[in-house]
Amino acid sequence: NAGVTQTPKFQVLKTGQSMTLQCAQDMNHNSMYWYRQDPGMGLRLIYYSASEGTTDKGEVPNGYNVSRLNKREFSLRLESAAPSQTSVYFCASSVRQGGWGYTFGSGTRLTVV
Amino acid sequence: GEDVEQSLFLSVREGDSSVINCTYTDSSSTYLYWYKQEPGAGLQLLTYIFSNMDMKQDQRLTVLLNKKDKHLSLRIADTQTGDSAIYFCAEPSSGNTGKLIFGQGTTLQVKP
Repeated sequence: NAGVTQTPKFQVLKTGQSMTLQCAQDMNHNSMYWYRQDPGMGLRLIYYSASEGTTDKGEVPNGYNVSRLNKREFSLRLESAAPSQTSVYFCASSVRQGGWGYTFGSGTRLTVV
Repeated sequence: GEDVEQSLFLSVREGDSSVINCTYTDSSSTYLYWYKQEPGAGLQLLTYIFSNMDMKQDQRLTVLLNKKDKHLSLRIADTQTGDSAIYFCAEPSSGNTGKLIFGQGTTLQVKP
């Protein structure tokens, strides 16, 4: 099925470890986003990529880096994980910058101990 | 700054109507969105309304928009247990960046 695929679905890290969350979409969307979801706080934007070759910081970028590898793929890297990064991470894509809502992946549940 | 506010919890009986409310800040928003998140899943676009509309109806869903008060509501008629989920209101961030600003989400509990 067409959509946004995130891997892994679950991950447990020790403080200080690094990891990369993968996201790929097959809808030929231009824009891609990374959000984190925490109880009572809704979704907060970490980074986004309005088009292939560009990335920009969102609301909560500290402790994260991203790579827009190509039009399909947008990865999120935690260089040195901290317990405050325990969260559910969602990748999303949209047809174009500024428009038409998002298609979301199913999320990655990350626990940092 | 930009902010989208929702109440956190709503409980209704099966068969009743549910009304989920949202307030937003950017009066220039072109579209406003409602997303649904079922347990353990990502968000799915439920419906949307264009800013020049007051109301949009889609089967059991009715969206009402009051631009003067910057108030958006989602009414679910004949609420079913399968409607139990978290509902997020969202508006585009200003500046045509493509970002969506989400509310905190309203958890809808439907009791049999």
